[in-house]
Amino acid sequence: AQKVTQAQTEISVVEKEDVTLDCVYETRDTTYYLFWYKQPPSGELVFLIRRNSFDEQNEISGRYSWNFQKSTSSFNFTITASQVVDSAVYFCALSIGTSGTYKYIFGTGTRLKVLA
Amino acid sequence: DADVTQTPRNRITKTGKRIMLECSQTKGHDRMYWYRQDPGLGLRLIYYSFDVKDINKGEISDGYSVSRQAQAKFSLSLESAIPNQTALYFCATSDFGQPYGYTFGSGTRLTVV
Repeated sequence: AQKVTQAQTEISVVEKEDVTLDCVYETRDTTYYLFWYKQPPSGELVFLIRRNSFDEQNEISGRYSWNFQKSTSSFNFTITASQVVDSAVYFCALSIGTSGTYKYIFGTGTRLKVLA
Repeated sequence: DADVTQTPRNRITKTGKRIMLECSQTKGHDRMYWYRQDPGLGLRLIYYSFDVKDINKGEISDGYSVSRQAQAKFSLSLESAIPNQTALYFCATSDFGQPYGYTFGSGTRLTVV
C-alpha cells in the first residue's frame, strides 16, 4: 500500500529557530516522486519542491532544505532561521505510477506556527 | 490572471441543493483534478480527468459528479448537498508525462447548512 505519514500535526517555534518537518512514505514502486507543498493562511497551495526516487541528493533553496533518505523512506523539510511568514500548513505528497497513470497521495499536513 | 481559477471562492448552501464549482486553467495542461481538504485528513481526490474524454473517480467520488467541458474547464457538482460535504475544495492541473507537481487553484470554501 502507498501511504504518506506526517506525524507532526502542529509545531510551534519562535522566530529564528530552525525547524524540521518530517515526512515518511511507503511504496513498493521503485520509481516515484516526492513533493512538498505550502498552504499559507490565505488558503492556496504552493508547490515547493519535487524529488524523484533516483536522486537522493539533498537540496537547499535559501532557508529551505530537504533531506531525502531512501533507507528510511523519509523526505524531511527543514526551515532555517524561521520567520513569521513561514507559518503555514505544509503537505508532503508521493506520486507513483507510470507515465499516464500517475497517482498522488498526500499526507495529512503539518501546521507550523512561527511566533514573533 | 491566475493560472487556475476557481469560482466561487466561498459559498454557503442549504442541504439538498445542487451546487456547481467551476475551475478553469490557462496552463494548457491536459490533466485536471478535484480534491477536497478536511482538517486532519489532508487532501483527498474526488475526480480526475486526463483529457476531455477521460473522467475517472477518485477515492471519495460518492455524492459528486464532474464535467470536463473543454481542455481548460473542469466543473464539480454536488447534486444534493449534505452537511458533511462542507470542506475546502481545490482544483488542480498537471502536465502529461513526469509529474512536475500540481498547479492548484485558490480553493472554494463550501459550507452546507
